[in-house]
Amino acid sequence: QQQVKQSPQSLIVQKGGIPIINCAYENTAFDYFPWYQQFPGKGPALLIAIRPDVSEKKEGRFTISFNKSAKQFSLHIMDSQPGDSATYFCAALPSGSARQLTFGSGTQLTVLP
Amino acid sequence: ETGVTQTPRHLVMGMTNKKSLKCEQHLGHNAMYWYKQSAKKPLELMFVYNFKEQTENNSVPSRFSPECPNSSHLFLHLHTLQPEDSALYLCASSQEGTSGGVREQFFGPGTRLTVL
Repeated sequence: QQQVKQSPQSLIVQKGGIPIINCAYENTAFDYFPWYQQFPGKGPALLIAIRPDVSEKKEGRFTISFNKSAKQFSLHIMDSQPGDSATYFCAALPSGSARQLTFGSGTQLTVLP
Repeated sequence: ETGVTQTPRHLVMGMTNKKSLKCEQHLGHNAMYWYKQSAKKPLELMFVYNFKEQTENNSVPSRFSPECPNSSHLFLHLHTLQPEDSALYLCASSQEGTSGGVREQFFGPGTRLTVL
């Protein structure tokens, strides 16, 4: 019930490509969906987040698409750059809490120059 | 120092050793967390402290013992660990009690632990 399933496990794209990372959840109590970016030797850092009352949120080259009925959400990176190479984690929070963050298993993205 | 800091950054210990990991947050938050990060697995929440009180313990073995002396400091005491405990241990903090808005957890850089 608490699990967030993330795919793919790894992804390689050319510079300028649009990598897409997908996540799915079961728990309908989740109402906040953040994405975290983690570089080697660093902790995860919040990249972008969305609530289920909108279907899309864009911040710079990063876009979250959200499908509430399918209980799925995805991260798109436009015009990807080698500096975007990192591990990306989707996550979900139930309403009213910052504590019970449930993470996906992560996607290791490599953007080739 | 800013954000969330963790020391040491790397630790190698034998199965019979006793060591401690330290975390300090400079963000004025009231909740702190320990996570375990293993390769190709989701981050595993280990312990949560809210206003210095432990509020969650996710079935973590007793060889891991947390301590939160104040809202800015968090320790993880380690003893008689097993090789499978080798992982990256992440500390995070957040501000609990905010209605709406971003409920972000801020992470430290982690301690890479190797148990021989």
